[in-house]
Amino acid sequence: SQTIHQWPATLVQPVGSPLSLECTVEGTSNPNLYWYRQAAGRGLQLLFYSVGIGQISSEVPQNLSASRPQDRQFILSSKKLLLSDSGFYLCAWIFFTEAFFGQGTRLTVV
Amino acid sequence: AQSVTQLDSQVPVFEEAPVELRCNYSSSVSVYLFWYVQYPNQGLQLLLKYLSGSTLVKGINGFEAEFNKSQTSFHLRKPSVHISDTAEYFCAVSEAGGSEKLVFGKGTKLTVNP
Repeated sequence: SQTIHQWPATLVQPVGSPLSLECTVEGTSNPNLYWYRQAAGRGLQLLFYSVGIGQISSEVPQNLSASRPQDRQFILSSKKLLLSDSGFYLCAWIFFTEAFFGQGTRLTVV
Repeated sequence: AQSVTQLDSQVPVFEEAPVELRCNYSSSVSVYLFWYVQYPNQGLQLLLKYLSGSTLVKGINGFEAEFNKSQTSFHLRKPSVHISDTAEYFCAVSEAGGSEKLVFGKGTKLTVNP
């Protein structure tokens, strides 16, 4: 069966520190993967999506980047975190009209 | 491009009362419509979806939604809510037969009080 793993669950990082969030998928190959962020009062905003290894599309300009080093791995990164990067980050695998979400990462930048 | 507007950011109701969470969308092409529920610090769970056919869609946990193309709406309803329905609810849209990207609304926080 299809499973999506996301870690860590919570993270507290100081301003200016780097970030790496990882998402992996099991039970499929060549998945289309997405990173969303949920900030207070702003709903779920699509940040990046990837349709294959090394293929990244960015939806909004920001302090973050994404990479797809392996078929079932999707990484969200930052070189220097800002306070505004705080939020709840969700990885998703979408296949036609079916979407599977990770459990999310609560990031607090202090 | 598609967009979704959830008209109410917070909806408080009493237990066993009916509830309606409103969702309107904008799109120049045909769409698929979804409602998701999120419990605190968890991922999203699909409640129901409209792809085609009957405009009244029934989902899990007693929820239903009606697609109204003329009003570009997809409101979520439940005739009698429980304390356990307290959560955040998201309406989402994707392009029918096209990109599978999901565009979400800002969410509605439903609080069910005893």
